[in-house]
Amino acid sequence: NAGVTQTPKFQVLKTGQSMTLQCAQDMNHEYMSWYRQDPGMGLRLIHYSVGAGITDQGEVPNGYNVSRSTTEDFPLRLLSAAPSQTSVYFCASTTRGSGNTIYFGEGSWLTVV
Amino acid sequence: GENVEQHPSTLSVQEGDSAVIKCTYSDSASNYFPWYKQELGKRPQLIIDIRSNVGEKKDQRIAVTLNKTAKHFSLHITETQPEDSAVYFCAARTGGGADGLTFGKGTHLIIQP
Repeated sequence: NAGVTQTPKFQVLKTGQSMTLQCAQDMNHEYMSWYRQDPGMGLRLIHYSVGAGITDQGEVPNGYNVSRSTTEDFPLRLLSAAPSQTSVYFCASTTRGSGNTIYFGEGSWLTVV
Repeated sequence: GENVEQHPSTLSVQEGDSAVIKCTYSDSASNYFPWYKQELGKRPQLIIDIRSNVGEKKDQRIAVTLNKTAKHFSLHITETQPEDSAVYFCAARTGGGADGLTFGKGTHLIIQP
């Protein structure tokens, strides 16, 4: 049981490039989400999904796209990277229902130059 | 949306003393309040959580209290040890969990030997 798996762990992009951060979970969780973590800012919700085919915006969605074609996968796409998107990204998953434990991936360190 | 305030941003205590971190939230519909510990370069790890129908929860040296009327909750760590040094985040979740967690900005806890 791998839990929540994120790839890549480290990535350097040039401004304007696009890329996809991959996230997969093997716990059959309905809910998945993406957060970004910046120094002194805590974690902020980017996008989330309550099931396959359903996605919605969180607190800081601009510049990011997501899709949820399967229960297991929830990729995050940066269409045209900007230096302001330099951050650590965490994918998370949980089961349906209030108060269930949220499991985080190990994080992806992204630098945009 | 929900807003979570966390204090202090840095807390230094002597080994063996107690540490208290406080959070307030704005949305009275929030009903799940987890606390995460994050070591440098690692993912957030859940250390304790509390649901809105409970006023206090304890797990060995760690306890969390919740005051729904005042909309604040606190983390208490007793008999602090060097391995307790880390950044701690509080968070709140509303409703069925579909909209993810709102995090505080974190407290850097330093245990002085």
